[in-house]
Amino acid sequence: EPEVTQTPSHQVTQMGQEVILRCVPISNHLYFYWYRQILGQKVEFLVSFYNNEISEKSEIFDDQFSVERPDGSNFTLKIRSTKLEDSAMYFCASSPGMGLAGYTDTQYFGPGTRLTVL
Amino acid sequence: LAKTTQPISMDSYEGQEVNITCSHNNIATNDYITWYQQFPSQGPRFIIQGYKTKVTNEVASLFIPADRKSSTLSLPRVSLSDTAVYYCLGPLDSSARQLTFGSGTQLTVLP
Repeated sequence: EPEVTQTPSHQVTQMGQEVILRCVPISNHLYFYWYRQILGQKVEFLVSFYNNEISEKSEIFDDQFSVERPDGSNFTLKIRSTKLEDSAMYFCASSPGMGLAGYTDTQYFGPGTRLTVL
Repeated sequence: LAKTTQPISMDSYEGQEVNITCSHNNIATNDYITWYQQFPSQGPRFIIQGYKTKVTNEVASLFIPADRKSSTLSLPRVSLSDTAVYYCLGPLDSSARQLTFGSGTQLTVLP
């Protein structure tokens, strides 16, 4: 069964450094997402991406964050200058197509990257 | 976006059937209800989705009564490996594509 993969599984960085989290979505999917989950808290939406541009972003996704699909397979999340509060699990997800009104397009999540900012 | 409410936690024993109920009083006519499962340190995983009556797959059943103001996820004969957080999600609204996760229900299966 196809699955979303993410690398690295764990990233440790110093405050103020840039990090790039990488994801390989399921190959025939059209929509890509990033979510994060701070330890012990809810899974929070960051951004969705379709047709090589951001579809939506949450208020968490400020100017420090960016996403890119540099080639036909990878989808990346960059945090330009990490802060302590960016420490969290970051999940990439992908879904096959457009959700119709009321109908939730199934999103397939990767295993996550645990980001630790020191 | 339908607001959902579900119990914070539930305990069960191996081999029992577990029913987790979610209320969604302001569900709209076209809204589906979706359930996800999350194991510790893993990403959420889709379990089941339904609109009305009953939906069954290899993992679970979902019961949605006629008024659709609640839904019940049923897990038959749970095992220890079913210990996880279970999320009942309202749908995407017409313009948003994000999933909105609440706190979910922590299911603990005991031996």
